Amino acid sequence: QSALTQPPSASGSPGQSVTISCTGTSSDVGRYNYVSWYQQHPGKAPKLMISEVIKRPSGVPDRFSGSKSGNTASLTVSGLQAEDEADYYCSSYAGSNFYVFGTGTTVTVL
Amino acid sequence: EVQLVESGGGLVQPGGSLRLSCAVSGFTFSRYSMNWVRQRPGEGLVWVSRIESDGAITTYADSVKGRFTTSRDNAKDTLYLQMNGLRADDTAIYYCARGPMVGTSTGAFDVWGQGAMVTVSS
Repeated sequence: QSALTQPPSASGSPGQSVTISCTGTSSDVGRYNYVSWYQQHPGKAPKLMISEVIKRPSGVPDRFSGSKSGNTASLTVSGLQAEDEADYYCSSYAGSNFYVFGTGTTVTVL
Repeated sequence: EVQLVESGGGLVQPGGSLRLSCAVSGFTFSRYSMNWVRQRPGEGLVWVSRIESDGAITTYADSVKGRFTTSRDNAKDTLYLQMNGLRADDTAIYYCARGPMVGTSTGAFDVWGQGAMVTVSS
């Protein structure tokens, strides 16, 4: 049950794009298309941004998109806005009703 | 409005016990799996436990297995986390989070509570 690996930080100027990687193993990210991404602002509860690798829940801007290749999933935020500054976590189903989260990435809007 | 509200957090001594509750509203509780996720101060999210919609199956992270017990009362629309043998490293905000509806598989937690702070200290 090792955490998925994310870069500690990422940044971009308003209007630019930033991509966050999430590396797991062939037992979690590589095996299941059940990768999710969550946004967390300081002092707030996490919010689901992407499910099943690519699906955006209702209300999530289409600036947020997900993808996966092998054991690595990615979240791309296009057209960065000030309110996108937050911590982002990936998670993956790991089989047998177990889940694992990523280490988290702090996104800074310059 | 779909809502999850945790309660029961607080300060407890090492070795002590605490029970968290998560009262839900705005959806049919008995049709959803539920999870507990914790976050130590200044650290990332960690999945703790999952319970099936009917309560028949529960799973736990290795770090809490044997000490924590997740249960639910579908008649009261409430999820519970019984925490025994608490240690300093259990100090965290504990969130309840809704999993997929029965019959679906998304692997996602789409609704979260506001969190309950648990502090284990002498």
